[in-house]
Amino acid sequence: ILNVEQSPQSLHVQEGDSTNFTCSFPSSNFYALHWYRWETAKSPEALFVMTLNGDEKKKGRISATLNTKEGYSYLYIKGSQPEDSATYLCASAPPGGYQKVTFGTGTKLQVIP
Amino acid sequence: DVKVTQSSRYLVKRTGEKVFLECVQDMDHENMFWYRQDPGLGLRLIYFSYDVKMKEKGDIPEGYSVSREKKERFSLILESASTNQTSMYLCASSLSIRLSYNEQFFGPGTRLTVL
Repeated sequence: ILNVEQSPQSLHVQEGDSTNFTCSFPSSNFYALHWYRWETAKSPEALFVMTLNGDEKKKGRISATLNTKEGYSYLYIKGSQPEDSATYLCASAPPGGYQKVTFGTGTKLQVIP
Repeated sequence: DVKVTQSSRYLVKRTGEKVFLECVQDMDHENMFWYRQDPGLGLRLIYFSYDVKMKEKGDIPEGYSVSREKKERFSLILESASTNQTSMYLCASSLSIRLSYNEQFFGPGTRLTVL
């Protein structure tokens, strides 16, 4: 089982603050890194998928970077808004067939108005 | 709009009962997954299926079985429910097994309580 770790476990920020959190994964057995957002009472939704070292993806105020050599990804939120409050999950997918990704335990973000 | 539906949002069962959780996707996806989510443990894969009648064990298959008779439907079966199976169960699907960067689409979850 891949060990995918996320930090911090939870985070409280003021509206308007920028924030970031980390996902680390074993770099030796890696193909793709996924980020999902999971709002309370809703289904997890995909944000980004990245495969190449140095990849950067952006969606509105949210962006992510990937370092496959050292095995980490950062998720950044610029100017946090209350609607950004959610649990952010990352998942690492190994090479080869069978899409058996391993999820981290998530970072729970609370944006205080 | 893509959709994954699960048969129940909340379910209460008694120890020893046989429990069926149903999941249906309308996207013609090849892959389907069952996860359970517990506080502090994240999403853990129970079983997945990459084709009709095909199934593969995930990381925690003990106490569970699955059935995929049609492409759009993936069922999770608790043969004899136990209290340690009280959890949130999430179903997901993704497009193709050959492309492990495909995103997964999740259902709303079933919160199962076993008394």
